[in-house]
Amino acid sequence: DTGVSQDPRHKITKRGQNVTFRCDPISEHNRLYWYRQTLGQGPEFLTYFQNEAQLEKSRLLSDRFSAERPKGSFSTLEIQRTEQGDSAMYLCASGPDRAYGYTFGSGTRLTVV
Amino acid sequence: GEDVEQSLFLSVREGDSSVINCTYTDSSSTYLYWYKQEPGAGLQLLTYIFSNMDMKQDQRLTVLLNKKDKHLSLRIADTQTGDSAIYFCAVAYSSASKIIFGSGTRLSIRP
Repeated sequence: DTGVSQDPRHKITKRGQNVTFRCDPISEHNRLYWYRQTLGQGPEFLTYFQNEAQLEKSRLLSDRFSAERPKGSFSTLEIQRTEQGDSAMYLCASGPDRAYGYTFGSGTRLTVV
Repeated sequence: GEDVEQSLFLSVREGDSSVINCTYTDSSSTYLYWYKQEPGAGLQLLTYIFSNMDMKQDQRLTVLLNKKDKHLSLRIADTQTGDSAIYFCAVAYSSASKIIFGSGTRLSIRP
């Protein structure tokens, strides 16, 4: 078990381009979360999957954001037509049950120029 | 609303105890957590407490929960330089599956 893996670690993109991030959770974890963190702030919830079902989505998530977890294993987060305000660290977390907290990956740092 | 508040900074002398405080607004909390984030790293779960508990101790860490005042604290005994990090309080509510994080408390250790 190598923990939660996220790819890529860093992404620099031009404004208006699409980007996709991948998260590989711990294999036996059925819950998967995406969070976004900006400098000096705590992680901000984006969306939640239980197995392959997307059960909750933040109101902050605009139509340009979409996430999938097709087979209940890895997940992808896509941002279309990126804007400078999308620059942030995107964190993925997984866990079997929220009672015991979640394991976070190291994140993907997105810079939109 | 679902708000989690923390003070931004704490400075303690090496060897002293550190106490990091957190308040939250929604009384329907079920699980509460403390995470640690070191520079350039992801979040590491330090400890958690269930809302039906008042206290939890884990080696140098002691968590105190006052549900009446909606107050959570993390005490680190014998603080070391390796404890320098940002500490996040996080709360899970019965009404939603997400965990809400505070803005973090930056702990610095002075010799």
